[in-house]
Amino acid sequence: QQQVKQSPQSLIVQKGGISIINCAYENTAFDYFPWYQQFPGKGPALLIAIRPDVSEKKEGRFTISFNKSAKQFSLHIMDSQPGDSATYFCAASTGRRALTFGSGTRLQVQP
Amino acid sequence: EPEVTQTPSHQVTQMGQEVILRCVPISNHLYFYWYRQILGQKVEFLVSFYNNEISEKSEIFDDQFSVERPDGSNFTLKIRSTKLEDSAMYFCASSVTGQETQYFGPGTRLLVL
Repeated sequence: QQQVKQSPQSLIVQKGGISIINCAYENTAFDYFPWYQQFPGKGPALLIAIRPDVSEKKEGRFTISFNKSAKQFSLHIMDSQPGDSATYFCAASTGRRALTFGSGTRLQVQP
Repeated sequence: EPEVTQTPSHQVTQMGQEVILRCVPISNHLYFYWYRQILGQKVEFLVSFYNNEISEKSEIFDDQFSVERPDGSNFTLKIRSTKLEDSAMYFCASSVTGQETQYFGPGTRLLVL
C-alpha cells in the first residue's frame, strides 16, 4: 500500500515536444506529492510539488496534474529541451513521514 | 543558496568494515533523513531523525545501521559491518518542518568489495 507506481520507465521526446510521466498510488493518506529531477551522479532536486487540495499546479514549463479520485498524478514538461534530459522521480508522503519514491523515468530529449 | 553537503563523495571499503558517512544539513532545518539508491534503481528511505532521536526507519535500517548528530551541524550514518549489498549511493536530506520539501545532498557513493 506504500508503493508509488511510475511509468514509463524511459521516454524519448523531440525538442519542443511534451513529456508526460505518470504515477499512481494506493495509500489515500498521502498528502504531499513532489517530483524530483536527478542528473547522473547528483542528488535528486525538487522540481515541483502538489497537495491533494488542488488538481493542477504549474511552474514555468512544468505542470503537475492531480486526480484524487483515480489516485494518480502526472508531470507534464512543455516545450521539452535537451537540458531536461534526466531521470524524474515522483514521490509521496504523509505528514512528516518519509518520501516514498516511484521507480523513476529516464527522459531523453533529442535535439 | 544553502545546500546539504556530504562527505566523502566516494568511499571504497572491504566487506565487514565499518563506514561512517557524513552530512551537513541546511542550518535552520530540523528534520534529517538518509536515503539510498542502488545503481539504476529507485531512491529508498532508510531513516529520519528529529530532536536527537529516530522518528521513523525502514526495514532496511537494521541493527547494522546507526545515526547520530554528534554536534550542531553534522549528521552521520554508520554502517557497522558492511556487506556487498550495501553498495549504493547514500543521500542525506533535510527539511525545515518535515512536512514539505526535502533537500537532498549530492550523495556518497559507497562500494563494498
